Amino acid sequence: EIVLTQSPDFQSVTPKEKVTITCRASQSIGSSLHWYQQKPDQSPKLLIKYASQSISGVPSRFSGSGSGTDFTLTINSLEAEDAAAYYCHQSSSLPFTFGPGTKVDIK
Amino acid sequence: EVQLVESGGGLVQPGGSLKLSCAASGFTFSGSAMHWVRQASGKGLEWVGRIRSKANSYATAYAASVKGRFTISRDDSKNTAYLQMNSLKTEDTAVYYCTINWNDPFDYWGQGTLVTVSS
Repeated sequence: EIVLTQSPDFQSVTPKEKVTITCRASQSIGSSLHWYQQKPDQSPKLLIKYASQSISGVPSRFSGSGSGTDFTLTINSLEAEDAAAYYCHQSSSLPFTFGPGTKVDIK
Repeated sequence: EVQLVESGGGLVQPGGSLKLSCAASGFTFSGSAMHWVRQASGKGLEWVGRIRSKANSYATAYAASVKGRFTISRDDSKNTAYLQMNSLKTEDTAVYYCTINWNDPFDYWGQGTLVTVSS
């Protein structure tokens, strides 16, 4: 099973600040890494697919990078509505897995 | 419009069984793999398993934590996927979501249904 680790676990950020969340896979997964945002009492929402591909309707301040084992989600100029938990997910091999999540709080 | 609606959650005793349903609409259900993901309260997301389409022999796959206890099935005539959960444990308590790869990975999710395993 491919294990995904995320850092940090929690981040408290002021609006307009830049946020960087990393996701590391226990073995190479190519670009089969996706990012989701989940706000309280809501279902997850896809933000970035295949490491760096943007999703229609998702604000351009969200971007992704990386390949192999190391990946990054960047939120440029954080907005109050971005307060949420962020999860990475790999679809390279079964069983599919998720990272433990990073909670972003607004100061 | 793609819609996924889970149902069937509730309170069940340890060792008991429960069957969840995921009713789908707005897309070609028969051609789509259906996945189940769960989330314990205050915890992260955990992939539970998936069932592929008839063209892919209805192949199933499961997380190690549920293998042998949970079974995913589907009825293409009813556009519905199912999650049969047996030998339930307290650690199976969670919100259970169904989700699909429509145009993109897990781009559509249901609202979730709560399963509570407690005596």
